[in-house]
Amino acid sequence: GIQVEQSPPDLILQEGANSTLRCNFSDSVNNLQWFHQNPWGQLINLFYIPSGTKQNGRLSATTVATERYSLLYISSSQTTDSGVYFCAVAVTGGGNKLTFGTGTQLKVEL
Amino acid sequence: GAVVSQHPSWVICKSGTSVKIECRSLDFQATTMFWYRQFPKQSLMLMATSNEGSKATYEQGVEKDKFLINHASLTLSTLTVTSAHPEDSSFYICSARVADRGQHEQYFGPGTRLTVT
Repeated sequence: GIQVEQSPPDLILQEGANSTLRCNFSDSVNNLQWFHQNPWGQLINLFYIPSGTKQNGRLSATTVATERYSLLYISSSQTTDSGVYFCAVAVTGGGNKLTFGTGTQLKVEL
Repeated sequence: GAVVSQHPSWVICKSGTSVKIECRSLDFQATTMFWYRQFPKQSLMLMATSNEGSKATYEQGVEKDKFLINHASLTLSTLTVTSAHPEDSSFYICSARVADRGQHEQYFGPGTRLTVT
């Protein structure tokens, strides 16, 4: 099956700092989503981005499908950004089944 | 828009009993829903795909007789954990895909935390 790897696994930032999270995948995909999992377990949809670039406030994402990676940028980080960030992908022709990456645990400190 | 709910949000049951978890799409129709399981400090793992009006398809290693899935309408899928054991204790999360050929984005419910004693 498809392999999805995220880096870094853990990240500690000072409030106000910027960061880049990476997601590498091993096959062609027709769905790539970024999520933030809050402390209660809820997955918050950040981006649906199988290709291209999107921005939403302090967050932006870029997927280069031909090179099989996606990046999530967090600017001016806040303590509320803390949590686990997952990317998830669905293989083209694979029935829309999402395979989740290993996650990045982010902690933003004052 | 695109809200998915789950009920209950948490449940404690005794070993050997069965537990039913509901997943509802509140403001859209979902021909396909998915069930995931997440153990502490781990990622989400797909358990099964639930298709409205047909049998669910299970991922390798998931016992279909233990995890019964019913998708009786375009807005409701249920997961029943039968004869639960402590090792079934986990966080169960459902997702739903909007019934639109061009739309692949999935929306997730808030999850159900199951503890089997």
